[in-house]
Amino acid sequence: KNEVEQSPQNLTAQEGEFITINCSYSVGISALHWLQQHPGGGIVSLFMLSSGKKKHGRLIATINIQEKHSSLHITASHPRDSAVYICAVRPDSNYQLIWGAGTKLIIKP
Amino acid sequence: GAVVSQHPSRVICKSGTSVKIECRSLDFQATTMFWYRQFPKQSLMLMATSNEGSKATYEQGVEKDKFLINHASLTLSTLTVTSAHPEDSSFYICSASRGLAGLLQETQYFGPGTRLLVL
Repeated sequence: KNEVEQSPQNLTAQEGEFITINCSYSVGISALHWLQQHPGGGIVSLFMLSSGKKKHGRLIATINIQEKHSSLHITASHPRDSAVYICAVRPDSNYQLIWGAGTKLIIKP
Repeated sequence: GAVVSQHPSRVICKSGTSVKIECRSLDFQATTMFWYRQFPKQSLMLMATSNEGSKATYEQGVEKDKFLINHASLTLSTLTVTSAHPEDSSFYICSASRGLAGLLQETQYFGPGTRLLVL
């Protein structure tokens, strides 16, 4: 079993839908990152969380440390949100990131 | 703030040549820089960690003589793929943090990546 699991692996939705991507991990962590990777490969860091909730525009990220779970939400989704969303955690004992496999999101107009 | 750039964004080269990829922190001093590689449809994999002014620490299975990393200043790290072969074709991403790698709360700022194709 991978230490970082994302679900779903693939998600196709209609424009305007509320999107949720989940990330579960099995190690103690000091931080969790959500990143966005566009079809050309470019990576954008969306959030770094260690507790609670963060919001940036239409994006919301939450983390529950006790349950070892984080979610990334997109409100009023748009075709330009189509990308791969990657969760990565930093274990308590190590500065190196453990990466999830990513969730491929396609938003149809 | 905290922008990391990479150059070039895309490079095509012939087998046997060497390719240099630059990673720059534009508005902060990066004590630590990380280099990752991503093969198609796979997750990112850490290749090496470098602290400014010292030798890079390579992950197991990464050839340090093939992937030369230089972190000569607080704003620039370079990755040189020497004698590149088609199997080195990949997406290379750097990230940078202000603090030393051992400081667990340090944020990593990611570069946009460089796509390398070796013919």
